[in-house]
Amino acid sequence: GEDVEQSLFLSVREGDSSVINCTYTDSSSTYLYWYKQEPGAGLQLLTYIFSNMDMKQDQRLTVLLNKKDKHLSLRIADTQTGDSAIYFCAESSFSGYSTLTFGKGTMLLVSP
Amino acid sequence: KAGVTQTPRYLIKTRGQQVTLSCSPISGHRSVSWYQQTPGQGLQFLFEYFSETQRNKGNFPGRFSGRQFSNSRSEMNVSTLELGDSALYLCASSLESGPSSGNTIYFGEGSWLTVV
Repeated sequence: GEDVEQSLFLSVREGDSSVINCTYTDSSSTYLYWYKQEPGAGLQLLTYIFSNMDMKQDQRLTVLLNKKDKHLSLRIADTQTGDSAIYFCAESSFSGYSTLTFGKGTMLLVSP
Repeated sequence: KAGVTQTPRYLIKTRGQQVTLSCSPISGHRSVSWYQQTPGQGLQFLFEYFSETQRNKGNFPGRFSGRQFSNSRSEMNVSTLELGDSALYLCASSLESGPSSGNTIYFGEGSWLTVV
């Protein structure tokens, strides 16, 4: 079955880089997503990567995908206190195009 | 361009009652999905609708139902509410329901349901 795993917590200092990791099990995954959730809010789409790509860069965000190991990472450069939030990794499988399977989320705490 | 709009944002219901939540997708988007978020279970898929047809359904009891209208707006209904139904219900919209380049899926702010 489908399963997405993330570490639960990450703490960094302002200005450092943050790396949030995710592993998934569904080898038929088509797209892999990163969402951000701030307290009391919905999910904000940060970026996504198609499964035939290795890397995608979008301003301060870099996504790396190792399809062989089913490992996905999100790197945030120059992390700011406003980046403190919960980050969710999600996969969509070929069978359920707009159906996402989420990890439990990684809480990122950025200290000044 | 307006985002995904969910109403109501907050509501309190009593056990045994029923509730209807509404979602307006981004203009032009035809796929609407619903998710339940709880501290214990995290984010779980409820169902997906595309062109008024349910395409996919998660592992939830029959008390959870939904529908989509011709203008792509969607509603979900929970009957005979239980305390465990207290959650944030999130609606997501996307342009299509199928593999395509850039199948971006956007979420609304959610409806907070408390069952007492």
